[in-house]
Amino acid sequence: DGGITQSPKYLFRKEGQNVTLSCEQNLNHDAMYWYRQDPGQGLRLIYYSQIVNDFQKGDIAEGYSVSREKKESFPLTVTSAQKNPTAFYLCASSTGEAFTDTQYFGPGTRLTVL
Amino acid sequence: AQSVSQHNHHVILSEAASLELGCNYSYGGTVNLFWYVQYPGQHLQLLLKYFSGDPLVKGIKGFEAEFIKSKFSFNLRKPSVQWSDTAEYFCAVNPDTGRRALTFGSGTRLQVQP
Repeated sequence: DGGITQSPKYLFRKEGQNVTLSCEQNLNHDAMYWYRQDPGQGLRLIYYSQIVNDFQKGDIAEGYSVSREKKESFPLTVTSAQKNPTAFYLCASSTGEAFTDTQYFGPGTRLTVL
Repeated sequence: AQSVSQHNHHVILSEAASLELGCNYSYGGTVNLFWYVQYPGQHLQLLLKYFSGDPLVKGIKGFEAEFIKSKFSFNLRKPSVQWSDTAEYFCAVNPDTGRRALTFGSGTRLQVQP
């Protein structure tokens, strides 16, 4: 069953802690993306990767870091430098072949900072 | 940089009413346009997309959207909504240049009353 999995579904963090959100895809897609969703603000791009071992900052990369060591995995670390990390985080993937690509989304991780 | 505006933040309709959700983008060049939908508890999924050809595009579940280049608009329509259309709808744009990642609007929450 092809798709994108994200774990955990809910994550609680104390202030000052780093946390890592997992994103795995078995769609054989080259491109992967991380978005942050806040009420009334839509989705904002954090980081994206067009190919393994390469990634680019999106619109709101400050306080976040990523790695892309494997094609199927694109973990996101929310660092203590992120001032307001409580949000819903969505991972997506696409073939990366064209600007017309459809992006496929995972179920999301809801992060709450206590 | 491109931006997307969705002016209707919350729409409430009765079943069988007609729907039109507005979407305007700001970008002077060639764009690819998308509507995504997020049903309660489900993944964000593609509703329809436009990249060339007939400016009236049809998507899943009876939705359609019309690209009007002169107005920088890509409004979503459905002639008769159902209770199951209750969801959040996002318009997104991906210009034919630069990064291959979507820029989303703030979303419209549609509530259909039975």
